[in-house]
Amino acid sequence: IAGITQAPTSQILAAGRRMTLRCTQDMRHNAMYWYRQDLGLGLRLIHYSNTAGTTGKGEVPDGYSVSRANTDDFPLTLASAVPSQTSVYFCASSEETGGNQPQHFGDGTRLSIL
Amino acid sequence: GQNIDQPTEMTATEGAIVQINCTYQTSGFNGLFWYQQHAGEAPTFLSYNVLDGLEEKGRFSSFLSRSKGYSYLLLKELQMKDSASYLCAVRDSNYQLIWGAGTKLIIKP
Repeated sequence: IAGITQAPTSQILAAGRRMTLRCTQDMRHNAMYWYRQDLGLGLRLIHYSNTAGTTGKGEVPDGYSVSRANTDDFPLTLASAVPSQTSVYFCASSEETGGNQPQHFGDGTRLSIL
Repeated sequence: GQNIDQPTEMTATEGAIVQINCTYQTSGFNGLFWYQQHAGEAPTFLSYNVLDGLEEKGRFSSFLSRSKGYSYLLLKELQMKDSASYLCAVRDSNYQLIWGAGTKLIIKP
């Protein structure tokens, strides 16, 4: 089934540790996104990529980095995790950045930083 | 700053109609999206509006007024499975989505 796969599904991590959240899509979408979702707040964009080889900063990029080596994969790395990064992380993709193309979401990664 | 406002929670009865409002103030406008999100799951796309007026899709309709910075999602013939959060998002001048905090809809029998 075509779609977006995120891994891991959930993780408990000690503060200060490095962590990479994986995201893979098989829809050949050009644009990909990482969001965090916290209770009472809307989805907030961390980083995005309009096409393979390019990345950009979203609303809350500090403490996170991304890479887009190919069309399918868009990993998110927390270099040194802090408790405020406890959240649900969603990866999304769309055919293009503009137009009427909706974003399609993965099932999310629930991350707890202790 | 950019702002999307939606009611935090609404309650409706099975079989009835409910309207979920969304007002926005953003730097530019390139379309408005509505998503449904069941608890513990990913958001799923419901509708897209870029021109003023009503878009109908089965039991769900979405309306947009760009001059008023206003949209609503109308759900008819409510079913228990419609219990979910409904997210409003506006694509801004940078073609990024700005999201509201979502409206939790509770359906009672």
